[in-house]
Amino acid sequence: EPEVTQTPSHQVTQMGQEVILRCVPISNHLYFYWYRQILGQKVEFLVSFYNNEISEKSEIFDDQFSVERPDGSNFTLKIRSTKLEDSAMYFCASRLRDTEAFFGQGTRLTVV
Amino acid sequence: EDKVVQSPLSLVVHEGDTVTLNCSYEVTNFRSLLWYKQEKKAPTFLFMLTSSGIEKKSGRLSSILDKKELSSILNITATQTGDSAIYLCAAGGHNNDMRFGAGTRLTVKP
Repeated sequence: EPEVTQTPSHQVTQMGQEVILRCVPISNHLYFYWYRQILGQKVEFLVSFYNNEISEKSEIFDDQFSVERPDGSNFTLKIRSTKLEDSAMYFCASRLRDTEAFFGQGTRLTVV
Repeated sequence: EDKVVQSPLSLVVHEGDTVTLNCSYEVTNFRSLLWYKQEKKAPTFLFMLTSSGIEKKSGRLSSILDKKELSSILNITATQTGDSAIYLCAAGGHNNDMRFGAGTRLTVKP
């Protein structure tokens, strides 16, 4: 069964460092998303991506964040200069139009 | 601003009980409402609802959408300990985006 794959599963980084979280969505899907979930809190929308551009982003998704789909398969989230409060589980999801979204297993980011 | 509100935030029941979880939404150009179950890590899909009044059912779980009331309910009958999880509701708008509520943490005691 096709699935969304995220790597790494866990990343520890120093405050101020750049991190790139990687996702391989399901191959024929059209819409791609990043969400984050701080431990014990709600799943928060970061950004959606369609037709090779950002279609919507939340107020959390500031200039420190960027997304790319460089080669038609990978979908990456870059955080330029990490802060302690960026520590969270980051989920990637993908879907076709008007269908359920499938989630990856997440990357746990720990900023120290 | 788009908003999804779930209630209750937390619920503790005993095996065999029936539970009803609520989700209300305010989403521009609403298209769909989705329910997910989150156990350890990634949310797993339960239902997608687009039409009002049509119940979707899967085993002991069922869900229905009320577009007039801008709400949905998720019912679980004859609960089991394996139903313990966070149940997430997400509302989708015209961009195929999805905004999640805070979730309902369900604990089923033996």
